[in-house]
Amino acid sequence: DAGVTQSPTHLIKTRGQQVTLRCSPKSGHDTVSWYQQALGQGPQFIFQYYEEEERQRGNFPDRFSGHQFPNYSSELNVNALLLGDSALYLCASSLRGRTEAFFGQGTRLTVV
Amino acid sequence: GQQVMQIPQYQHVQEGEDFTTYCNSSTTLSNIQWYKQRPGGHPVFLIQLVKSGEVKKQKRLTFQFGEAKKNSSLHITATQTTDVGTYFCAGQRGGSNYKLTFGKGTLLTVNP
Repeated sequence: DAGVTQSPTHLIKTRGQQVTLRCSPKSGHDTVSWYQQALGQGPQFIFQYYEEEERQRGNFPDRFSGHQFPNYSSELNVNALLLGDSALYLCASSLRGRTEAFFGQGTRLTVV
Repeated sequence: GQQVMQIPQYQHVQEGEDFTTYCNSSTTLSNIQWYKQRPGGHPVFLIQLVKSGEVKKQKRLTFQFGEAKKNSSLHITATQTTDVGTYFCAGQRGGSNYKLTFGKGTLLTVNP
């Protein structure tokens, strides 16, 4: 039983570019959340997707957008990258009605 | 907005010593969760506490949820080198608020 998988594991982008990160949830999970973790900090909630809709959003600008597909997998898109967007991006999946989150290994994004 | 404070930020112990980290939320929580993140890794779910005054144990780890459901603690008895990592608490307000608000974490290092 595969856990949460994310791709790519590492990525280097230039300021102003756009990036797409991908996440496959744990088998049987239907809810996907995205978090940004800066070095030495706790994860910060970006948004959560359920039934292909954004159900809740954290304090992130509109440059951050996402999508959930019918198979529950999800993408995180970030436009007009800034140096400050450099971080570990974590995807977490959960079952509807359950609050425990299972995290993927993350995508380390570096913006230069 | 909701804040979750966690102390201490760092803790260095000798193997065999006990360790405690404390978590305090600015708002009443529906549940609190604890995660462990090894260096270079991703957060791994440890436990969820839901009831006021709840105490749960996992081998050498003891988790408590305060009576007011605003604070929590994690205590490790007789630390081992395998306990090294950052311990995060994450609070959830419940209702239509699905996001986890993480503390900044406590980095535990253990000297063998």
